[in-house]
Amino acid sequence: DAGVIQSPRHEVTEMGQEVTLRCKPISGHNSLFWYRQTMMRGLELLIYFNNNVPIDDSGMPEDRFSAKMPNASFSTLKIQPSEPRDSAVYFCASSLRGTTGELFFGEGSRLTVL
Amino acid sequence: AQSVAQPEDQVNVAEGNPLTVKCTYSVSGNPYLFWYVQYPNRGLQFLLKYITGDNLVKGSYGFEAEFNKSQTSFHLKKPSALVSDSALYFCAVRDSGAGSYQLTFGKGTKLSVIP
Repeated sequence: DAGVIQSPRHEVTEMGQEVTLRCKPISGHNSLFWYRQTMMRGLELLIYFNNNVPIDDSGMPEDRFSAKMPNASFSTLKIQPSEPRDSAVYFCASSLRGTTGELFFGEGSRLTVL
Repeated sequence: AQSVAQPEDQVNVAEGNPLTVKCTYSVSGNPYLFWYVQYPNRGLQFLLKYITGDNLVKGSYGFEAEFNKSQTSFHLKKPSALVSDSALYFCAVRDSGAGSYQLTFGKGTKLSVIP
């Protein structure tokens, strides 16, 4: 089975530009998480979806960040406008809710905002 | 609130020696505990988990972890380290309650296995 697929793997953009990160979870998984990883703050949960519905977005830094899950096989994380402090690795992870809940992570999208 | 502490930022061990990566946790209910490994420029990979039962849990690549409820610890161990084990290791905890979904990660411990 394919794992969690993220794109792009690397993105370099200029401050003020819109950035869209994409995620395809493992087929059959009904929970999806977006995390951000930085040296200073470690792994931070940004948003959690269950059955395509956002359940907890308390980790989204500010209104510049938005996430959608239009169907069970696709999610996006959008930053508009981007800022240098958004530079990080963004991970998508999926799991099957109702089980013991280990997460399966994608390879990440490394974002650099100049 | 739940939390995880990994007291060592870095652990160095000689190849062939046993290794231990420490983790302590805090959670209001019964814990589900996990270890993940991250290689450079890769995502986190699941290693092993404790849910219930035997306190010694065996996982991938020869790793094991021991759950100690009284010490609220879940240390990762391996009898004989390999150079290829060098990576970043994360401990994580989740409350076992039915409505719980939040997996809280520690800050990670960098393991370096020296040839």
